[in-house]
Amino acid sequence: SQQGEEDPQALSIQEGENATMNCSYKTSINNLQWYRQNSGRGLVHLILIRSNEREKHSGRLRVTLDTSKKSSSLLITASRAADTASYFCATAKTDSWGKLQFGAGTQVVVTP
Amino acid sequence: GAVVSQHPSRVICKSGTSVKIECRSLDFQATTMFWYRQFPKQSLMLMATSNEGSKATYEQGVEKDKFLINHASLTLSTLTVTSAHPEDSSFYICSAPGAGQGPKGQFFGPGTRLTVL
Repeated sequence: SQQGEEDPQALSIQEGENATMNCSYKTSINNLQWYRQNSGRGLVHLILIRSNEREKHSGRLRVTLDTSKKSSSLLITASRAADTASYFCATAKTDSWGKLQFGAGTQVVVTP
Repeated sequence: GAVVSQHPSRVICKSGTSVKIECRSLDFQATTMFWYRQFPKQSLMLMATSNEGSKATYEQGVEKDKFLINHASLTLSTLTVTSAHPEDSSFYICSAPGAGQGPKGQFFGPGTRLTVL
């Protein structure tokens, strides 16, 4: 079963705009991770936020985590056409070897 | 960063045949690897955890006799889809956790697209 639900399912924006997507999960977690997947390819790890963290930044990415609401958001600022991809959140219950449960994903299209 | 490769990238086979997919960690050792399947426009579903030197751990609903996993070395895990049928057509992706202490992201292979005719 899927741990996370993401919204929106699809997002279409223009270059330069910000893209925000949300992820909700159901059980307790050790950490939450965001991944990007280009069409027909494997996943690329973007950022990891631990359960005791509330916000994290990496370049143009900003992730928030609200464990009381069991939700997370990913913000991509000043989006580029190259950001076009599907974005997935994934939760891990432990910090050992990283067994992940993935959300449904948000498909982002950035038009020039 | 660490690299995970998969082979083949794409395979088409007839119904009833068996297909082997390899997952290799190229520049690091992975005692554990994970196998996922992804149907079109859907998310990744964890199938099993591959453990070097021991039996794989399968997720609920995944047939272990259908999807044979062998983790023969610290850099290689194989997934064999036995007696494949059209409903097994999917995108199969493996991953390995990064090295070091603490929670870590995973490195994913590029995936193998299986089409069963």
